[in-house]
Amino acid sequence: DAMVIQNPRYQVTQFGKPVTLSCSQTLNHNVMYWYQQKSSQAPKLLFHYYDKDFNNEADTPDNFQSRRPNTSFCFLDIRSPGLGDAAMYLCATSGGLAGGDTQYFGPGTRLTVL
Amino acid sequence: TQLLEQSPQFLSIQEGENLTVYCNSSSVFSSLQWYRQEPGEGPVLLVTVVTGGEVKKLKRLTFQFGDARKDSSLHITAAQPGDTGLYLCAGEIGNEKLTFGTGTRLTIIP
Repeated sequence: DAMVIQNPRYQVTQFGKPVTLSCSQTLNHNVMYWYQQKSSQAPKLLFHYYDKDFNNEADTPDNFQSRRPNTSFCFLDIRSPGLGDAAMYLCATSGGLAGGDTQYFGPGTRLTVL
Repeated sequence: TQLLEQSPQFLSIQEGENLTVYCNSSSVFSSLQWYRQEPGEGPVLLVTVVTGGEVKKLKRLTFQFGDARKDSSLHITAAQPGDTGLYLCAGEIGNEKLTFGTGTRLTIIP
């Protein structure tokens, strides 16, 4: 009964080769988030969708893009991965209610850049 | 930028001991969540606290939200090796985004 699913769990790509990470949810939540987490650090929000409205964080590089074709799916596209983009990428969802709303995380995709 | 400081950053204790992890901020949060994350996995939600002064218990874990909703604590009684992990607090200010704490890496030694 997985609620937030991420595929693949492990992704290896080459420097500069585009890569897409996938997230799906069975919770019918309005909001979907993408975070980057580097070793021993807290997750860093890249962007989020509230329904179809895209909200980019000010310091998210242009190299990172996202698509949400429907409520259940959200994709993270890294156009030209650099060595510094190697990290765990976490997808999360929430119902979008202010005050007391909870984010549920997927298991993450660990990206390695060669 | 709202900052959530967690202390201690690292904690290593013997099985059976008690411990407390703190999460402090100068900002007021509408809610605060605690997560545990194991290596190679995503954060798993432990609890959400909403009301100032609220105390929630989850087996051997006790969570408290400060009266002013600026801080929180996590107390673990009789720690077990399965409690090992990265503990993250995260506060919501009401704009559907979370501010994560700096994290506490806990190791329980059998």
